Amino acid sequence: GDSVTQMEGPVTLSEEAFLTINCTYTATGYPSLFWYVQYPGEGLQLLLKATKADDKGSNKGFEATYRKETTSFHLEKGSVQVSDSAVYFCALSLGSGNTGKLIFGQGTTLQVKP
Amino acid sequence: KAGVTQTPRYLIKTRGQQVTLSCSPISGHRSVSWYQQTPGQGLQFLFEYFSETQRNKGNFPGRFSGRQFSNSRSEMNVSTLELGDSALYLCASSLGGVETGELFFGEGSRLTVL
Repeated sequence: GDSVTQMEGPVTLSEEAFLTINCTYTATGYPSLFWYVQYPGEGLQLLLKATKADDKGSNKGFEATYRKETTSFHLEKGSVQVSDSAVYFCALSLGSGNTGKLIFGQGTTLQVKP
Repeated sequence: KAGVTQTPRYLIKTRGQQVTLSCSPISGHRSVSWYQQTPGQGLQFLFEYFSETQRNKGNFPGRFSGRQFSNSRSEMNVSTLELGDSALYLCASSLGGVETGELFFGEGSRLTVL
């Protein structure tokens, strides 16, 4: 079945370090891919998205490229800040005709130390 | 523009009781979906309502139910509470539905079952 797999956390980095959070997916069709972020005590927020192969989503210094050949959508940031500490969720949607199907990964906790 | 509002934010119940959680979506959004978040199971989809109709349901027992009103506000109900129902319950609203992947989440209702 359709699924999303994220790297296990927690990921602990020092401020200004480079971040990569791996996400791979399994899908029968052509999914759209998303990254959501959940800050402590809050709900999830959409961080970025990509709707087709080779698209790059970006927001707040974060980037992710939709790689169809490796079925991946890894999240990257060049220089993390303490304020980036949060849980990051990768998700996929198969779009219209698949009502209600937004599949989340297990989440990866990022801790950034000053 | 007001965000998604969930009430109550925190509640404590005992086994066997029932609970009703409320969600007010962003104005104009017709889709409301519900998720259960726990440390062990991550984010699990409960159900989605769109224009008062349940469009999809996750793999939860019948003790979990929901409804949506004509003003798009939604409630979910859990009857005969079990200890394992302790979780953060998140509501999300969307203009076009869960499959668009563009969800706006509330801060959640944290349920503790004793």
